[in-house]
Amino acid sequence: AQSVTQLDSQVPVFEEAPVELRCNYSSSVSVYLFWYVQYPNQGLQLLLKYLSGSTLVKGINGFEAEFNKSQTSFHLRKPSVHISDTAEYFCAVSEAGYSTLTFGKGTMLLVSP
Amino acid sequence: DTGVSQNPRHKITKRGQNVTFRCDPISEHNRLYWYRQTLGQGPEFLTYFQNEAQLEKSRLLSDRFSAERPKGSFSTLEIQRTEQGDSAMYLCASSLVGSGRNRYEQYFGPGTRLTVT
Repeated sequence: AQSVTQLDSQVPVFEEAPVELRCNYSSSVSVYLFWYVQYPNQGLQLLLKYLSGSTLVKGINGFEAEFNKSQTSFHLRKPSVHISDTAEYFCAVSEAGYSTLTFGKGTMLLVSP
Repeated sequence: DTGVSQNPRHKITKRGQNVTFRCDPISEHNRLYWYRQTLGQGPEFLTYFQNEAQLEKSRLLSDRFSAERPKGSFSTLEIQRTEQGDSAMYLCASSLVGSGRNRYEQYFGPGTRLTVT
């Protein structure tokens, strides 16, 4: 079985500053990795995913993530955040070739002016 | 493409009552998932269908929960004899099984928030 740890429950940051949201996973098999964003009272939207190939993955809204197999991490980064990036971010993992997702507890990104 | 829709968006019920939620997936998607999200937690997998077949159920899905997808299109999730611990956001997602890198992408609906009083 897989598990996901998001180390920070909240990350406060000023507008235009860079941000990194941390995600570590545990699995005994190959995995696929995902980052989702959830705005208040809305469902989850896929930001980016890693299935195979290049370990640096670019997603929507200027976000990117890097898969590090040796450290079992998939940290999310953005070089310059906007107020509109304020939301909850979830890291998720699935067993490779298998579709159900296991989510972390989420990290609330709070962007202030 | 109108996305995944869920109804109702909010449901308040008294303990012991039965409730039913509906999910309409993206029209060409053949897989449909149900997740439950409680406050401060990430979504937890409940069950999923491929077409009309229910292929997996989580241990979280007690006997009081039942899900159907009768014609391989919309799905319903019913909770019988609701308990206060059932209060949560119930999320539905859909995906398309096939070739291509988007086959593992799940598209989520806005959720149904259940409050059991």
